[in-house]
Amino acid sequence: IVMTQTPLSLSVTPGQPASISCKSSQSLLHNDGKTYLYWYLQRPGQSPQLLIHEVSNRFSGVPERFSGSGSGTDFTLRISRVEAEDVGVYYCMQSIQLPQTFGGGTKVQIK
Amino acid sequence: EVQLLESGGALVQPGGSLRLSCAASGFTFSNYAMSWVRQAPGKGLEWVSGISDSGGRTYYADSVKGQFTISRDNSKNTLYLQMKSLRAEDTAIYYCAKDEGAVDTYFDYWGQGTLVTVSS
Repeated sequence: IVMTQTPLSLSVTPGQPASISCKSSQSLLHNDGKTYLYWYLQRPGQSPQLLIHEVSNRFSGVPERFSGSGSGTDFTLRISRVEAEDVGVYYCMQSIQLPQTFGGGTKVQIK
Repeated sequence: EVQLLESGGALVQPGGSLRLSCAASGFTFSNYAMSWVRQAPGKGLEWVSGISDSGGRTYYADSVKGQFTISRDNSKNTLYLQMKSLRAEDTAIYYCAKDEGAVDTYFDYWGQGTLVTVSS
């Protein structure tokens, strides 16, 4: 399954919102009713960390300013008010089918 | 606190072999599938291999099938990746990742990574 993210990069003023799109080549809706779409953030020089699981569920400790939405093949990660610590590369990932595949990444920078 | 500590990365010549290890702590290792994910310099993330909680089932990306072998020792809380016939395109940071459940789930915790460089 091919995951396509847009935009490639984003420059955001602190306090302003940001939005990243992720599209999959096949529906990520399983017949168990779950949608297997995830979001990760890789801060500079660090390993990836899980932000969102199953489209819209924030992982433990993830701030409320991060939210996920979407269905089927179209998904969005939103940051309501970008902070300096949010810089890095954001990846979407699917796990409805092995191998898990990642989007190409969206680099978020602060203006 | 979940901790995953990779080791074993090194500079190796093309055609060489290397074994990576990942020491896990902070969770019941034997209850979870584990995976290796790699990231070539300046590139995105690529799932490489996964192994079930018992070690009885293993999975590989087509790009490494027949070249890499994943294994685990639940008595030592350690995950391994045996790599052979290494090529320049295997150069990457290799991350150990804990699967949330079975192999076909998502990765909820990642190690800090270990760098493998294949070059003469």
